[in-house]
Amino acid sequence: DQQVKQNSPSLSVQEGRISILNCDYTNSMFDYFLWYKKYPAEGPTFLISISSIKDKNEDGRFTVFLNKSAKHLSLHIVPSQPGDSAVYFCAGFPGGGNKLTFGTGTQLKVEL
Amino acid sequence: GAVVSQHPSWVICKSGTSVKIECRSLDFQATTMFWYRQFPKQSLMLMATSNEGSKATYEQGVEKDKFLINHASLTLSTLTVTSAHPEDSSFYICSASKVGQGDSPLHFGNGTRLTVT
Repeated sequence: DQQVKQNSPSLSVQEGRISILNCDYTNSMFDYFLWYKKYPAEGPTFLISISSIKDKNEDGRFTVFLNKSAKHLSLHIVPSQPGDSAVYFCAGFPGGGNKLTFGTGTQLKVEL
Repeated sequence: GAVVSQHPSWVICKSGTSVKIECRSLDFQATTMFWYRQFPKQSLMLMATSNEGSKATYEQGVEKDKFLINHASLTLSTLTVTSAHPEDSSFYICSASKVGQGDSPLHFGNGTRLTVT
């Protein structure tokens, strides 16, 4: 049972354009969501998070949007840079717990 | 920022041998550490939750006698893959959260690439 889904395994974007990575979840107990960035052979690094009481959180070039009714969140990166090329995982976090459930990841490639 | 160190970063072992992977929180105390496994092009799958001073909690389908977890201190958890088989070859990642910060993003180690020949 995949509780967190990232339906696009890969995404290719031109440098300077916007990258939009999508994530859907099924577990209504999730009340905190995180995005992680992962380079090959390295551990994930935290990027940005959002609480379920918000619908938007912004940090520099990164913005995460949450649509609770649709159980959907998205990560916007603008402008995209070549160094953003990595695998991006979204993860859900249930209220009162600390076990992350990860999506399958989206490989972002930012081209010159 | 918080640092989690994982060692070794890669290891090759023969089938039937055991391999120990260490996960250390370098600048903070972690009562809970997590062990994940990632297969190629797949998500990070939680294997077990490691609690300092108590037995680890394993996820469904993870053999506790095969993947031994010890969390002896607030800064160290170890995962031992016993009697390794080629199908155990994978990328293992640990993570830790700071004590008292339930909503803090987990900090991850850089992972261990295990290859069983």
